[in-house]
Amino acid sequence: KQEVTQIPAALSVPEGENLVLNCSFTDSAIYNLQWFRQDPGKGLTSLLLIQSSQREQTSGRLNASLDKSSGRSTLYIAASQPGDSATYLCAVRLIPGNQFYFGTGTSLTVIP
Amino acid sequence: DGGITQSPKYLFRKEGQNVTLSCEQNLNHDAMYWYRQDPGQGLRLIYYSQIVNDFQKGDIAEGYSVSREKKESFPLTVTSAQKNPTAFYLCASRRDAGTGADTQYFGPGTRLTVL
Repeated sequence: KQEVTQIPAALSVPEGENLVLNCSFTDSAIYNLQWFRQDPGKGLTSLLLIQSSQREQTSGRLNASLDKSSGRSTLYIAASQPGDSATYLCAVRLIPGNQFYFGTGTSLTVIP
Repeated sequence: DGGITQSPKYLFRKEGQNVTLSCEQNLNHDAMYWYRQDPGQGLRLIYYSQIVNDFQKGDIAEGYSVSREKKESFPLTVTSAQKNPTAFYLCASRRDAGTGADTQYFGPGTRLTVL
């Protein structure tokens, strides 16, 4: 069974700092990996999706990388802002299958 | 305005009662999912459906039931057999083919509390 781990569980940084969130998974036979953002009491919003054949994806201040062989992905957030404060979750989809396995998330607080 | 709607936002259940959570999408997506989220834990899959009239159990299906009679609707029933149903329930959908088929879109969630 796929195990997805996110470290750290919580992170607090001053505004303007660049930061990296980590996601690791045990089974490297993945179809893709997706990063989500969740605000308190809300649903998830997709940020970036990386196919297994890709190494990274970028959207604005966000950059996600994937190293399938080592079972790791990172989400890089540049020039953090208070509005970035949320929980960030990663999820992987295995080959074969239509199930997605989620990490426990990293709770980010950006201090003004 | 396209998206996924879940209702109600808050739901209270008495011991021994069955309750049904609604999930509707107007995105014309084929696949739909139900997840449960507990504090400090990631999302865990309850059921998913790839097409109408077909659904598969996820990792924690015991005490839950679903139906998929229409493409846009995937209701979840929490039965009295579910011993610890207090949680945040999230519904998601995904287009099963073509460009952007892998991205999951989530509803706003239903918070269920057992009294």
